[in-house]
Amino acid sequence: EPEVTQTPSHQVTQMGQEVILRCVPISNHLYFYWYRQILGQKVEFLVSFYNNEISEKSEIFDDQFSVERPDGSNFTLKIRSTKLEDSAMYFCASGRAMLSGNTIYFGEGSWLTVV
Amino acid sequence: QKEVEQDPGPLSVPEGAIVSLNCTYSNSAFQYFMWYRQYSRKGPELLMYTYSSGNKEDGRFTAQVDKSSKYISLFIRDSQPSDSATYLCAMTSDSSYKLIFGSGTRLLVRP
Repeated sequence: EPEVTQTPSHQVTQMGQEVILRCVPISNHLYFYWYRQILGQKVEFLVSFYNNEISEKSEIFDDQFSVERPDGSNFTLKIRSTKLEDSAMYFCASGRAMLSGNTIYFGEGSWLTVV
Repeated sequence: QKEVEQDPGPLSVPEGAIVSLNCTYSNSAFQYFMWYRQYSRKGPELLMYTYSSGNKEDGRFTAQVDKSSKYISLFIRDSQPSDSATYLCAMTSDSSYKLIFGSGTRLLVRP
C-alpha cells in the first residue's frame, strides 16, 4: 500500500538553527499538507500546498516557516530560526483531491527537538 | 466554545466489549468527518471517512454522523487489545483544505 514517507524520523537542533523536514507524498496525490503535534496536544494544521503554491495556512505558519516542492517527488518544510516552542512532531500528509470525495493520508512524522 | 471537543479518556474496556467514542463540534459548515487511530509517537492512520450525515460500516467499525446535533461517533465491536490506541476525530468543510482535530480519546482494551 502506498504511503507518505518522512525524513528524518528524529532531529535534535539548537535554538536559532534552520531545519528542513522532508516528505515524499503518495505518488498520484496532488494536495500536500504539514501538520504538527506538540507532545500531549492536538494535531494542528500548518499549511496546505497545491499546484506549486500555498492554498491555505494557519496563524502558526508565520514567516519563519516555508514550504517547497523542489522536484516532482519531495515536499519540504523549512523552519528558518528554530525556537524552543517549535519542538513537536511534524506530520506530512497528502491527498488525491481536495477533501470533497476524498481524504488525506499521514506520514509517520518527524520528531523535532529544539534545545 | 472549542470547534471540536473530544473526551480525552482514558477509556478502559475488557476485550470483546463494544466501544463508543464521540466528538461534538460547533461549526455547522463541517461536512467531512474522519476518524483516525494514532499509536504513541506515530502518524494518524485513517479508519473511517463519512460525508455529511448518516452511518458507515467497515468491518468492526461503524461511524455515525448526526449533523442536527453536531455529534459524531465511532463504534468498535468485539474490541481487541490491538485496538488500544488514541482515537482522533477530524473534520472540515467544503471551503477549507484543513482538518480540525479533536484532542483524541485514549482507549485501553484489557485482555
